[in-house]
Amino acid sequence: DVVMTQSPLSLPVTPGEPASISCRSSQSLLHSNGYNYLSWFLQKPGQSPHLLIFLGSNRASGVPDRFSGSGSGTDFTLKISRVEAEDVGVYYCMEALQTPYTFGQGTRLEIK
Amino acid sequence: QVQLVQSGAEVMQPGASVKVSCKASGYTFNGNYLHWVRQAPGQGLEWMGWINPNTGGTKYAQKFQGRVTVTRDTSISTVYMELSRLRSDDTAIYYCARDGPLTGDLFDYWGQGTLVTVSS
Repeated sequence: DVVMTQSPLSLPVTPGEPASISCRSSQSLLHSNGYNYLSWFLQKPGQSPHLLIFLGSNRASGVPDRFSGSGSGTDFTLKISRVEAEDVGVYYCMEALQTPYTFGQGTRLEIK
Repeated sequence: QVQLVQSGAEVMQPGASVKVSCKASGYTFNGNYLHWVRQAPGQGLEWMGWINPNTGGTKYAQKFQGRVTVTRDTSISTVYMELSRLRSDDTAIYYCARDGPLTGDLFDYWGQGTLVTVSS
């Protein structure tokens, strides 16, 4: 199984400031088709997770452009250009290349 | 609009089985795989398996092989996840989630979750 490792696990951020979360996989997520099968999700308090980014850098429908994903192979980053209060929650990366799909431990973003 | 609506919370005895439903609407039911993901209290996310609603074909995580069964009823656009021989560490919120229409677009919509509590 692919092991996904996120850092940091806790991220206090001042509103308006940028934030960055790292995700590392134990195996390359680069498919022969050229896509990196890495997704990012946000789970807001008391809610189901929702999709932010798929294939490493593609924003899901309705996701604000302050969210961006980058990286390739085994190293990926989620960036929020200017954090807003509504961005509070737990962020998960997930490998979507092979089953069993596995998630990182989660990064809890909180507002300072 | 796409919706996945799950059945209500359950309290089960150890050793029993639970069956959770997920009713899909707002899209062509047969067109997208449906997955089950669980989350123990205060913990992360764990993928359990998928079903192809068109063929009924399934794939499960090794961890749950022999204990989980995912089925579907196409006449009512509903998928079911049955977990048997329940243990206390199966206490979790169980989510269904849909594959999106694009390459790599997994879990674009999620159900609201079903809390299953295993306790004597």
